[in-house]
Amino acid sequence: EPEVTQTPSHQVTQMGQEVILRCVPISNHLYFYWYRQILGQKVEFLVSFYNNEISEKSEIFDDQFSVERPDGSNFTLKIRSTKLEDSAMYFCASTGGGYQPQHFGDGTRLSIL
Amino acid sequence: RKEVEQDPGPFNVPEGATVAFNCTYSNSASQSFFWYRQDCRKEPKLLMSVYSSGNEDGRFTAQLNRASQYISLLIRDSKLSDSATYLCVVNIRGGADGLTFGKGTHLIIQP
Repeated sequence: EPEVTQTPSHQVTQMGQEVILRCVPISNHLYFYWYRQILGQKVEFLVSFYNNEISEKSEIFDDQFSVERPDGSNFTLKIRSTKLEDSAMYFCASTGGGYQPQHFGDGTRLSIL
Repeated sequence: RKEVEQDPGPFNVPEGATVAFNCTYSNSASQSFFWYRQDCRKEPKLLMSVYSSGNEDGRFTAQLNRASQYISLLIRDSKLSDSATYLCVVNIRGGADGLTFGKGTHLIIQP
């Protein structure tokens, strides 16, 4: 069964540094997403991406964040000037569109020190 | 972004029992509905979509009540492997928009 893959599985970074989280969505999917989950809290939507542009973003997704699809397979989330409160699990998801459910990668655990 | 509310539990249930969870959503215009399960520190995994007519997948039955804005999940003949957090998930505007998650209901199946 095709799956969403994410790298790295765990990223440890000093506060103030930039991180790039990587995702390879399911190959025939057209819509891509990033979510985060702070430990003990609910999964929160960050951003959706379609046709090489952001289609929706939440209030969490401010100027500190950016997304990119640099080639035909990867989808990245960049976080600049990381803060302690950016520590969380970051999940990538994709879907073929319409009312199809989204499928999630196994996440990147980001730890900001 | 409107909320999705769930009883966090935990629900402690003996193996073989039937257990049911409900979830309420606040936006009456919500378009599509799902149950995901999440194991500790793992990704959400789709359990089932929820349709207006109700739907069943093996031991799992999901119901949607649009008038009352709640969604239910019934698990029959519960197994130890059903122990997980069950996430009620709503797509408010439909299509390919971001999902709104509940905080989840923690289920523990006891031998």
